[in-house]
Amino acid sequence: AQKITQTQPGMFVQEKEAVTLDCTYDTSDPSYGLFWYKQPSSGEMIFLIYQGSYDQQNATEGRYSLNFQKARKSANLVISASQLGDSAMYFCAMGVLIQGAQKLVFGQGTRLTINP
Amino acid sequence: KAGVTQTPRYLIKTRGQQVTLSCSPISGHRSVSWYQQTPGQGLQFLFEYFSETQRNKGNFPGRFSGRQFSNSRSEMNVSTLELGDSALYLCASRQVLGELFFGEGSRLTVL
Repeated sequence: AQKITQTQPGMFVQEKEAVTLDCTYDTSDPSYGLFWYKQPSSGEMIFLIYQGSYDQQNATEGRYSLNFQKARKSANLVISASQLGDSAMYFCAMGVLIQGAQKLVFGQGTRLTINP
Repeated sequence: KAGVTQTPRYLIKTRGQQVTLSCSPISGHRSVSWYQQTPGQGLQFLFEYFSETQRNKGNFPGRFSGRQFSNSRSEMNVSTLELGDSALYLCASRQVLGELFFGEGSRLTVL
């Protein structure tokens, strides 16, 4: 079975600081993908970044980067130069293939609050 | 390009009723997935449809069902509603594999 653990229920960060959101995962599948999504109060899940299990380099997308440490089974999200609009719930998820279909397993999320 | 559209956005039902939620995926996306989000259980996978066929189903009772039409639009139905079915129901689409693109969800309240 697959499992995602996000140990930080909430984080408070000053604007313009960098922030790291933790994510650890557990799976016996050799092939998987790791995703981070942002969920503002509107409810929509916004895709941020993706890392494949065979990718050699850490993924980056603008201010977002994924610190992928395969041996430790961690996939932390780093947001550089945080902005007030970054305040939201953040979910780490793992995608696995089951019978040819992909299913996402989500962590419990981290509520990030950016203070001015 | 229009995003994933879910209707209705909000609805209130009473126990025992049934509800149908609709999802229009991004144009060209053939896969539609449904997730349930509650404060207690978090985000849980319901099912995925691809080319009108259910390819995967989560651990939910048979009261939860879905279907996909030839234009890739999808509906999910919950029969005999229970209080615990109150949740945000999220629909997501993708092309074949890769990242899911989510809609804003349908927030269901069961009284």
